[in-house]
Amino acid sequence: GAGVSQTPSNKVTEKGKYVELRCDPISGHTALYWYRQSLGQGPEFLIYFQGTGAADDSGLPNDRFFAVRPEGSVSTLKIQRTERGDSAVYLCASSQGLGASQYFGPGTRLLVL
Amino acid sequence: KQEVTQIPAALSVPEGENLVLNCSFTDSAIYNLQWFRQDPGKGLTSLLLIQSSQREQTSGRLNASLDKSSGRSTLYIAASQPGDSATYLCAVNNYGQNFVFGPGTRLSVLP
Repeated sequence: GAGVSQTPSNKVTEKGKYVELRCDPISGHTALYWYRQSLGQGPEFLIYFQGTGAADDSGLPNDRFFAVRPEGSVSTLKIQRTERGDSAVYLCASSQGLGASQYFGPGTRLLVL
Repeated sequence: KQEVTQIPAALSVPEGENLVLNCSFTDSAIYNLQWFRQDPGKGLTSLLLIQSSQREQTSGRLNASLDKSSGRSTLYIAASQPGDSATYLCAVNNYGQNFVFGPGTRLSVLP
């Protein structure tokens, strides 16, 4: 069966630009998570969806970051006015519910020049 | 606020050795704990999930234990192989909250 997929796999953009990162979760998984991982560190939680709603967005670093999941499946992480410090690997995971085993996608490598 | 640490940060062993990776967490009111492996440039692969009511979980050559009261989990790898080389991450889930990850242990198994 298909796992979690993320597109694009790599994204290079210029400072100040807008980017969208997409996540396709495992079919039937109601929970979807976004994390950010910097080199040599563990993933840092950004936002969690249960169905269509953002159940916890406490990890979003500021209001330049926003995520949606309009139909309870695919999610898009949106970053406005990108900064060099936003460069990282953005990971998406899905699970059958909060606290259930998480399955991760391969990540999107974002580089802001 | 839950904090997760992992010791050692890096480990290099010859093939065939048994080894233990450690994970510590500050808030013992956890729901479960999950161990992952991450290969360079890749996403995370789930290895084992231990519920708070469990003491250990086993999968093949891997055994993970959980001691909630002391805030510790260990991942035991038996008869290590070069293919086990990767970064191993533990993640802790508190009730109604999200997973908090440790920084990982980078393992190298030398042939």
